[in-house]
Amino acid sequence: KAGVTQTPRYLIKTRGQQVTLSCSPISGHRSVSWYQQTPGQGLQFLFEYFSETQRNKGNFPGRFSGRQFSNSRSEMNVSTLELGDSALYLCASSLASISQETQYFGPGTRLLVL
Amino acid sequence: AQTVTQSQPEMSVQEAETVTLSCTYDTSENNYYLFWYKQPPSRQMILVIRQEAYKQQNATENRFSVNFQKAAKSFSLKISDSQLGDTAMYFCAFIAYGGSQGNLIFGKGTKLSVKP
Repeated sequence: KAGVTQTPRYLIKTRGQQVTLSCSPISGHRSVSWYQQTPGQGLQFLFEYFSETQRNKGNFPGRFSGRQFSNSRSEMNVSTLELGDSALYLCASSLASISQETQYFGPGTRLLVL
Repeated sequence: AQTVTQSQPEMSVQEAETVTLSCTYDTSENNYYLFWYKQPPSRQMILVIRQEAYKQQNATENRFSVNFQKAAKSFSLKISDSQLGDTAMYFCAFIAYGGSQGNLIFGKGTKLSVKP
């Protein structure tokens, strides 16, 4: 069974631009979560989607948004990019509830904001 | 607020030896899971081991085992017979369940280097 895939793997943007990252979960997994990883803040939860609905949200500004499609693929969007948004963005999928199911992570998208 | 603390930013161990990584957490929840994830230099996060809080028996996965002390809110990872491929960042993580949906909370990580 194929693992979690994320595209693109690397991205360079400039301040003020917006970016969209994509995540394809493991086949059969309906929950997709997003995390931001930085050297200073570590791993921080962004949001979780299940059946096309945002079920849980971390403490990030409204510039960070996401959505999930009927095939469980998810996209994350960051608008008006800031230098501090430079990070590794990880996507994880699980069968159903992230509270009771193990999450499996993708390789991440490394975003650099100049 | 729920927190996860890994007090050892970096550790090193000789190949074939045993090493223990520490993790403590703080929560008022009774129902939760604890995890150890490994992130090698290639960056793919991999689940190492998972522990259900309601189980008293410590989880084991081959060379990896945990020492779960619920009263002390401690969850350490022991790696036996360390191998070069164990070199990675190790993250302890916590998630509560039941009632409102929780989210996975990570510690800051411990960088483990296995030396030949």
